[in-house]
Amino acid sequence: AQSVAQPEDQVNVAEGNPLTVKCTYSVSGNPYLFWYVQYPNRGLQFLLKYITGDNLVKGSYGFEAEFNKSQTSFHLKKPSALVSDSALYFCAVRDGENAGKSTFGDGTTLTVKP
Amino acid sequence: NAGVMQNPRHLVRRRGQEARLRCSPMKGHSHVYWYRQLPEEGLKFMVYLQKENIIDESGMPKERFSAEFPKEGPSILRIQQVVRGDSAAYFCASSLRIVGSSYEQYFGPGTRLTVT
Repeated sequence: AQSVAQPEDQVNVAEGNPLTVKCTYSVSGNPYLFWYVQYPNRGLQFLLKYITGDNLVKGSYGFEAEFNKSQTSFHLKKPSALVSDSALYFCAVRDGENAGKSTFGDGTTLTVKP
Repeated sequence: NAGVMQNPRHLVRRRGQEARLRCSPMKGHSHVYWYRQLPEEGLKFMVYLQKENIIDESGMPKERFSAEFPKEGPSILRIQQVVRGDSAAYFCASSLRIVGSSYEQYFGPGTRLTVT
């Protein structure tokens, strides 16, 4: 079985400050990890993924995420938040040995205030 | 290059009617996934299909729900005898072939089903 936890329902940051959206996972095989963003009344957009290699992954819109195997975490980060980053963020995991089905976290609402 | 397309975007049905949701994957994608998002909740996996094959339907309710992805045409998620609890946003995603399974999923805009 695989699972994802996003411990914070909501994250609030001021524009220009760094942001972190937390994600921890559980999977029996090698984890394939993904971050998606959802704007109101829209589908999910892919941001970045970790499959193998460098633990720091860079993605779209200046976002990056750090894979930490010992802590089973894959936190999403951005050095300087923009108001336009305000959205719902989902972390997802897939078992590399059991391809196909992704399990999503419940989502974290990020609000960036001017 | 068109993305994943879903129609209708909004669907209103009375209790007891049938709902049919359509999904056309991105060009070249042969794998389709359906997810349901209830209000104030995250995405819940429903079913994963290849052309003419259901690969994993572990998230599908046992009754009233069915899905198909025929050789020609879009994938269809069918809900029979809808109830108010079926009101949700239904998202379709597609991906390339999954050898290596590193391919990300591309999501459609969703169909918002309202059952009155």
